[in-house]
Amino acid sequence: DQQVKQNSPSLSVQEGRISILNCDYTNSMFDYFLWYKKYPAEGPTFLISISSIKDKNEDGRFTVFLNKSAKHLSLHIVPSQPGDSAVYFCAASAGDRGSTLGRLYFGRGTQLTVWP
Amino acid sequence: DTAVSQTPKYLVTQMGNDKSIKCEQNLGHDTMYWYKQDSKKFLKIMFSYNNKELIINETVPNRFSPKSPDKAHLNLHINSLELGDSAVYFCASRNTGINSPLHFGNGTRLTVT
Repeated sequence: DQQVKQNSPSLSVQEGRISILNCDYTNSMFDYFLWYKKYPAEGPTFLISISSIKDKNEDGRFTVFLNKSAKHLSLHIVPSQPGDSAVYFCAASAGDRGSTLGRLYFGRGTQLTVWP
Repeated sequence: DTAVSQTPKYLVTQMGNDKSIKCEQNLGHDTMYWYKQDSKKFLKIMFSYNNKELIINETVPNRFSPKSPDKAHLNLHINSLELGDSAVYFCASRNTGINSPLHFGNGTRLTVT
C-alpha cells in the first residue's frame, strides 16, 4: 500500500515553460515533504523540501506547494531547462521520530523531459 | 570527491549464491541506509545504522544482513539469492537531525538469473 503517489509517470514540457509535477499522499501523519531529482545511473539528489507548517517554499526556479487538506503537493519549475530532464521523486516523513530517523516514504517518480 | 560510493555498480549472479554490496561515505555523516528500488520503481527503506547501531529494520527477509564496521561504512550481504531480489540497491547517508536530507550513492543494479 503506497502512501506516497505520483500518478503521472511522465511529463514533457518545452524549454522556458513551467513544469508542474504532482504528488499525493494518504498518511495524515506526514509532516515533512521532499523532492529528489535523479539522473540515469545516478542516485537521487535532494532538491527542495517543505514542512507542513508552510504551504509554499521557493528556491530559485523551484517552488513546492503543499495543500494539507487535499494531501497534495506539487513542484513547479520555472522556467524549465533541458538540464532539468530527470526523474523526480516525491518523499515524505512522519513526525519528529520519522524525521530524526530519516525514514522516508517515496513515490515511484515522474520522468520529466524538457525539450528545446 | 566527497560522496557516498557503493560497489559494485552492477552485479549479475545466479540464484542461490551469496553476494555483498559495499558502501562508504566520506561526508562525515553518522547515519547510513540501504534503500531498494524494485521493478515498479518504488524506493523503499530496508535498514538504517546510526554510529554502527541498527535503528531501522524494515520487513526484509533475514537473508539480507547489513553490517556496519564503522560509521563510514555500511555493507549489505545477501544469502541464497532469489529472482525477486533483482533490483537497484541504493546506499544513503545523512547526519542525525530533524529533516536532514539523505545523500544517495549511485546504486548497485543486482540481477539474479
